Amino acid sequence: EVVLTQSPATLSLSPGEGATLSCRASQSVSSYLAWYRQKPGQAPRLLIYDTSTRANGIPARFSGSGSGTDFTLTISSLEPEDFAVYYCQQRDNWGLTFGGGTKVEIK
Amino acid sequence: QVQLQESGPGLVKPSQTLSLTCTVSGGSISSGGFYWSWIRQFPGKGLEWIGYIYYSGSTSYNPSLKRRVTISVDTSQNQFSLKLRSVTAADTAVYYCAKTELQQWLVQWGPGTLVTVSS
Repeated sequence: EVVLTQSPATLSLSPGEGATLSCRASQSVSSYLAWYRQKPGQAPRLLIYDTSTRANGIPARFSGSGSGTDFTLTISSLEPEDFAVYYCQQRDNWGLTFGGGTKVEIK
Repeated sequence: QVQLQESGPGLVKPSQTLSLTCTVSGGSISSGGFYWSWIRQFPGKGLEWIGYIYYSGSTSYNPSLKRRVTISVDTSQNQFSLKLRSVTAADTAVYYCAKTELQQWLVQWGPGTLVTVSS
C-alpha cells in the first residue's frame, strides 16, 4: 500500500501570500494524485486531479505539479476561504489512500 | 450536478451493524461512467476510503475493512448503501458518500453524517 506523507503539518500565512504544500509517496504513483480542500464543518472538495488538472470551478490560483513520489500544491495568493485543511490522495492496487493533511492557518 | 445525501442512525452499539444509505439526486446512478464511494473521517481528522460500487453491483473494498463491509446499490431508488459489521468505538467517524470518477477521483461529496459507536 502506498503511504502519503504531507508537509508541513501546519502552515501559518497571511491573506495574499503564496502557499506551497508538499505530498510525498512511499513509492511511485505516476501522475495519479489529487488534492482536496476541507473547510471547517464541510466535506472535502476536489481541487486538482491527475497531479495538475484543476477540477470544475476551481480558480487558477490553485496549481499542482510533480511526478513519481514528490508532488506540490501551490496557492498563488491566499484568499480568506483558503484557510483550511488540504489532503492529497492516490489510488493503487489496494484502493484509495489519503495523506494526513496540511492545515493552512491565518498568521 | 448531482447531489448526495447520507442518512442513517447516528448512534450504534458496539458489536452491532452500522447501516447508512446515500441518496443521489440530479443524476442517475444507472447512467454509468462513475463509481460510488464511501469514505470516513475519524475525530482526529484522518480520512479512510471504505470502498466503492458500480451501478452493475461490482465492488472494491479497502483490504483492512473487507471482512466487515458490504456496499450495495439500489438503482430503482437511486441509492447505494453501506453496512459495517461488528463495530467498535474505533469506527466512530463522520461517514461520507462520494461520486467517483475513473475509480480514483472523488468529484462530488455528500455533507457527511456522524456515527458514534457507544453503548
